[in-house]
Amino acid sequence: GQQLNQSPQSMFIQEGEDVSMNCTSSSIFNTWLWYKQDPGEGPVLLIALYKAGELTSNGRLTAQFGITRKDSFLNISASIPSDVGIYFCAGQSGGYQKVTFGTGTKLQVIP
Amino acid sequence: DGGITQSPKYLFRKEGQNVTLSCEQNLNHDAMYWYRQDPGQGLRLIYYSQIVNDFQKGDIAEGYSVSREKKESFPLTVTSAQKNPTAFYLCASSIVSGTYLGANEKLFFGSGTQLSVL
Repeated sequence: GQQLNQSPQSMFIQEGEDVSMNCTSSSIFNTWLWYKQDPGEGPVLLIALYKAGELTSNGRLTAQFGITRKDSFLNISASIPSDVGIYFCAGQSGGYQKVTFGTGTKLQVIP
Repeated sequence: DGGITQSPKYLFRKEGQNVTLSCEQNLNHDAMYWYRQDPGQGLRLIYYSQIVNDFQKGDIAEGYSVSREKKESFPLTVTSAQKNPTAFYLCASSIVSGTYLGANEKLFFGSGTQLSVL
């Protein structure tokens, strides 16, 4: 099965810094989703994107649906310790099609 | 409170044993899914079901079986044929809505079951 390429795989940042991560695919998607997973828990949906070029914010998080429909970006501003976790992107190509997940970006915040 | 409940949180399997992981949702969602997560990897789809009494194989269905007798429940059985069952298993559900071309499915996850081999 296909998996999305997500980068970076992991990152250490200082508290207060901004963070950027991205996800690329060889296929076009109609929907992009960004999730955060805490250790030993299920992923929680952060942002959903439905239209090419769309820019959506959720608090300190901002995500964009790439114009080519083959990529998406997530930015976190002014990071705090509770931002620690694994961030997954996911793409879905159309109705009743399964969701494909990225390999995850592990974020660690240094206080 | 509405949500997805997975049980147990931790499960141990002996050689040659079948074990069943429970997943229940009270969100009135039509579709349910099982994913497997290995350390450092993304989520891989095992099985999914869009409607009661119907389910489809995902990318890694070998060694697993499911049933969907009720809308709320989608149990996963890890059979003895699955030779490397140690992983974190996640159940998810979604509302299937919209047209074929514009449909979007937001997945909502349970808190997972960690399965280990004794």
